[in-house]
Amino acid sequence: AQSVSQHNHHVILSEAASLELGCNYSYGGTVNLFWYVQYPGQHLQLLLKYFSGDPLVKGIKGFEAEFIKSKFSFNLRKPSVQWSDTAEYFCAVNALNFGNEKLTFGTGTRLTIIP
Amino acid sequence: NAGVMQNPRHLVRRRGQEARLRCSPMKGHSHVYWYRQLPEEGLKFMVYLQKENIIDESGMPKERFSAEFPKEGPSILRIQQVVRGDSAAYFCASSPTSSKGSNTEAFFGQGTRLTVV
Repeated sequence: AQSVSQHNHHVILSEAASLELGCNYSYGGTVNLFWYVQYPGQHLQLLLKYFSGDPLVKGIKGFEAEFIKSKFSFNLRKPSVQWSDTAEYFCAVNALNFGNEKLTFGTGTRLTIIP
Repeated sequence: NAGVMQNPRHLVRRRGQEARLRCSPMKGHSHVYWYRQLPEEGLKFMVYLQKENIIDESGMPKERFSAEFPKEGPSILRIQQVVRGDSAAYFCASSPTSSKGSNTEAFFGQGTRLTVV
């Protein structure tokens, strides 16, 4: 079974700082990888996804993530954060089992941006 | 195209009562997934359904929990005889039919926050 680790539970940054949130997964096979964001009281929104191809993936709101297969990692980055990025961020993995998009989530990272 | 619709948004039940959570997938989506988010935790997969079929229920508690996705109407997650530990946010996601070799993503609803008092 696959598992996902997000080591940063709570990150506090000032506006304009650079962001990197770690995500590691354990699964021996091929995976699809996702980052979701959850603003307070709202549903999960997809930030970006990796299925195949270029391991550097660009998503919405200036976020990007890099898939490093040898490290089983899919870290999320943003060069300059804004106050509106305050939210909870979840990394998720789908073991490539065609027809089943069941996701395994990490425990999430709470990001607080200080104006 | 409306997104995934869940209702109610908030549900309060006394211990021992039943909770029924509804999920209408996006138009054209035939796959439904239910997840539970306990306080301070990530989402945990519960069950995956297609119309009239349970495909994967490996995340469902063995007792009191059941799910269905009938031919007509929304998917229902049913919790009988609720206990305080059932208090959580329950999220539904849907995805379109995926053929072998394709990758699709799931779209999430806004969730139902169940509080057991």
